[in-house]
Amino acid sequence: EAGVAQSPRYKIIEKRQSVAFWCNPISGHATLYWYQQILGQGPKLLIQFQNNGVVDDSQLPKDRFSAERLKGVDSTLKIQPAKLEDSAVYLCASSFFPTEPTHEQFFGPGTRLTVL
Amino acid sequence: GIQVEQSPPDLILQEGANSTLRCNFSDSVNNLQWFHQNPWGQLINLFYIPSGTKQNGRLSATTVATERYSLLYISSSQTTDSGVYFCAVDSGTSYGKLTFGQGTILTVHP
Repeated sequence: EAGVAQSPRYKIIEKRQSVAFWCNPISGHATLYWYQQILGQGPKLLIQFQNNGVVDDSQLPKDRFSAERLKGVDSTLKIQPAKLEDSAVYLCASSFFPTEPTHEQFFGPGTRLTVL
Repeated sequence: GIQVEQSPPDLILQEGANSTLRCNFSDSVNNLQWFHQNPWGQLINLFYIPSGTKQNGRLSATTVATERYSLLYISSSQTTDSGVYFCAVDSGTSYGKLTFGQGTILTVHP
């Protein structure tokens, strides 16, 4: 079974530029999550989708971050314009519905973003 | 929101030693997961363990939900066990969202 796929793996941009990350979850997983991991910290949830609807985006900086999951499968996270403090690893995860008895989350390899 | 505390923050071992990592959480949970983050940043699932005890090779985990803690045991450690170990919980009101602890950095020397 294929895992969670993410691209690109690495990205270096100048501040004020825009960037987009792509995620394809495990087949059959209805729930998709984007997490931000700053160096030395644990991942922090940015946004959670169930199918193509947003469940939780309370921690998403909406003035510069946006995310979509139009067909309920793959997802794109965008930052526009980027700031220095956005340098982090962006992790995508997926799971079955949280109400399922087992809703273990599985993570992709992440995208390491450096903003100069 | 729920608080997750991991201890110790750092652990240095010689190959072959045993260790115990602890995760305390401040509220009831629907889900608790242990992850190993390897040097390339990949989060590897170790255990899905909201309660009870599980074992997988040299690793085992126990969650005592009523007392709000979980333990990860690593026996006969190897250099490949090095990395950061994270505990993450999904509390009763968060509907899937995982809240992570700060992690335990494990270094195993040959």
